[in-house]
Amino acid sequence: EDKVVQSPLSLVVHEGDTVTLNCSYEVTNFRSLLWYKQEKKAPTFLFMLTSSGIEKKSGRLSSILDKKELFSILNITATQTGDSAVYLCAVGAFGNEKLTFGTGTRLTIIP
Amino acid sequence: EPEVTQTPSHQVTQMGQEVILRCVPISNHLYFYWYRQILGQKVEFLVSFYNNEISEKSEIFDDQFSVERPDGSNFTLKIRSTKLEDSAMYFCASNEERRKTSAQETQYFGPGTRLLVL
Repeated sequence: EDKVVQSPLSLVVHEGDTVTLNCSYEVTNFRSLLWYKQEKKAPTFLFMLTSSGIEKKSGRLSSILDKKELFSILNITATQTGDSAVYLCAVGAFGNEKLTFGTGTRLTIIP
Repeated sequence: EPEVTQTPSHQVTQMGQEVILRCVPISNHLYFYWYRQILGQKVEFLVSFYNNEISEKSEIFDDQFSVERPDGSNFTLKIRSTKLEDSAMYFCASNEERRKTSAQETQYFGPGTRLLVL
């Protein structure tokens, strides 16, 4: 059974700090890893990663995938209160349609 | 920017009643999904739908559940006889047609319908 584990489960930091969120996975026929931000309702897409070692970047957020060690990290620099959310990691596999999600990391930014 | 929409945002129903949750996927997308998230738990896959038929379903998606694309825009999830444990947030998602040689296209999620079964 495919498995996605995120750590930490929750994180509280001060505005301006840098945070690193972790996602490890076990999946047969890995295809892609996706990061989503979930505030009140819908998971909002952040990044999709398919290749090792290639950093994806969007403003203060960046992410990288290590397919040998089976993990990904999501970095947020100079955090702002608007970054407070649950960050979800999900993996997709060849041969099936679904995304398998982790439990998420709840990030709280204190002003 | 195009987005997935869902109605209603909240639904309260009595156990045993039928509910229909509605979704309008992004217009040029051809793959559609339903996921659910029980309060405090992971987002779980229910079903995927392509070319007017179910392409994959999970163990959760039993005979009480059905999906339909009744017209060119709507995608519905029906729960025939709701149970208390069906209470959850139900998300619809969609993505573009996957080219055979490319990685999985990103699934875009709607805002969800919060279903409460009493």
